[in-house]
Amino acid sequence: DTGVSQDPRHKITKRGQNVTFRCDPISEHNRLYWYRQTLGQGPEFLTYFQNEAQLEKSRLLSDRFSAERPKGSFSTLEIQRTEQGDSAMYLCASSLVNFGGSTLEKLFFGSGTQLSVL
Amino acid sequence: KQEVTQIPAALSVPEGENLVLNCSFTDSAIYNLQWFRQDPGKGLTSLLLIQSSQREQTSGRLNASLDKSSGRSTLYIAASQPGDSATYLCAVRPSGNTPLVFGKGTRLSVIA
Repeated sequence: DTGVSQDPRHKITKRGQNVTFRCDPISEHNRLYWYRQTLGQGPEFLTYFQNEAQLEKSRLLSDRFSAERPKGSFSTLEIQRTEQGDSAMYLCASSLVNFGGSTLEKLFFGSGTQLSVL
Repeated sequence: KQEVTQIPAALSVPEGENLVLNCSFTDSAIYNLQWFRQDPGKGLTSLLLIQSSQREQTSGRLNASLDKSSGRSTLYIAASQPGDSATYLCAVRPSGNTPLVFGKGTRLSVIA
């Protein structure tokens, strides 16, 4: 299967611990997005990359959150000193766009990482 | 700031019915609009993408329309089946290099 892969599927951690999630996009895709979703809500944008460059970060992304995409391939999202409010599904999506963007950009999502902070 | 609203929040219909899900957005200057399906505990699957210059897109039993001037989109599902039960999310892209803004979704149950 060549879809978007996320690891782990589930993570349970204690408050104050650090966690890291990984996303492997579809291989030829140049954009990679991170979203967060809580129960009964739509996904909220966190950050996105075009190749290895992080182009935008949401105000939701506090200093405890950091994301990287070395070499423009897989991406990691780290949360330091987790809080109970960080409990959510963390979704990764990838897409392929031409230079300057495209009205045809279609996002392909992974299955997400469900984080529970106790 | 673009906001997306989906009505109803939940819908239950008997199998075989045709149904319409509604999406509205506050700023009519959009780049494109996308409808997604999400099964419980899973990621999102793209259903249809409508460019700002288009008025509708069709895929099988699904038809999505877009009326930018009124800030509305509808997703029409024909001859609903129990396998259509899922949450349907509408998302708007404000411009080419801005991320999608999602609604909260409509949770659909199709009863056999």
